[in-house]
Amino acid sequence: QVQLQASGPGLVKTSETLSLTCSVSGDSMIAYYWNWVRQPAGGGLEWIGRIHVSGSTNYNPSLKSRVTMTLDTSKKFFSLSLKSVTAADTAVYFCAREATRRAWFDPWGQGTRVTVFS
Amino acid sequence: QSDLTQPSSVSATPGQPVTISCSGSNSNIGSNYVFWYQQLPGSAPTLLIYTNNRRPSGVPDRFSGSKSGTSASLAISGLRSEDEAHYYCAAWDDSLSGVVFGGGTQLTVL
Repeated sequence: QVQLQASGPGLVKTSETLSLTCSVSGDSMIAYYWNWVRQPAGGGLEWIGRIHVSGSTNYNPSLKSRVTMTLDTSKKFFSLSLKSVTAADTAVYFCAREATRRAWFDPWGQGTRVTVFS
Repeated sequence: QSDLTQPSSVSATPGQPVTISCSGSNSNIGSNYVFWYQQLPGSAPTLLIYTNNRRPSGVPDRFSGSKSGTSASLAISGLRSEDEAHYYCAAWDDSLSGVVFGGGTQLTVL
């Protein structure tokens, strides 16, 4: 059974780059899209973007200029880089596997909390 | 403001039915599948309904999903205290080439 584990620094300084990693275990990364979703405290879910093993990506238009995603199938992880962060980027960041239909997220990782400070 | 519109909160007593609506547009719900996610307090979301109306194994048949045009609904029959959670709808949006979520609905079991 596939499991995802998100990790990264809990604190990031304003204007710097947020970097997170999601480790994948229990299944191959082939044939799926791998996603990042975030949730500010007390708020709703916001889709950040996704990456496929082919290298294909889709990003949320509101974040596209600041987002980069990469993937390493041999090491079984994918990553998120979000540059020029502000307090508005403070959130819990989830990683999730996207199954055979778009927006079909299963499973999700446990989430990692990121706080942007000045 | 989310691309999909859900009521911010609903409430009902145990044993009662409840419905959560999700309204979108032709570019998302109108032309793509709808998914529902349940988020218990302090936990990551989990898949509740996929491709409009299918339940993953392990999800009780008290939960059902439907879609008509540019709207979708999640129905819960025989409400139980453990159903108290946030519920989110999601769909792909062809105009954005991305996933859109509803703002989430907090379900309170009175």
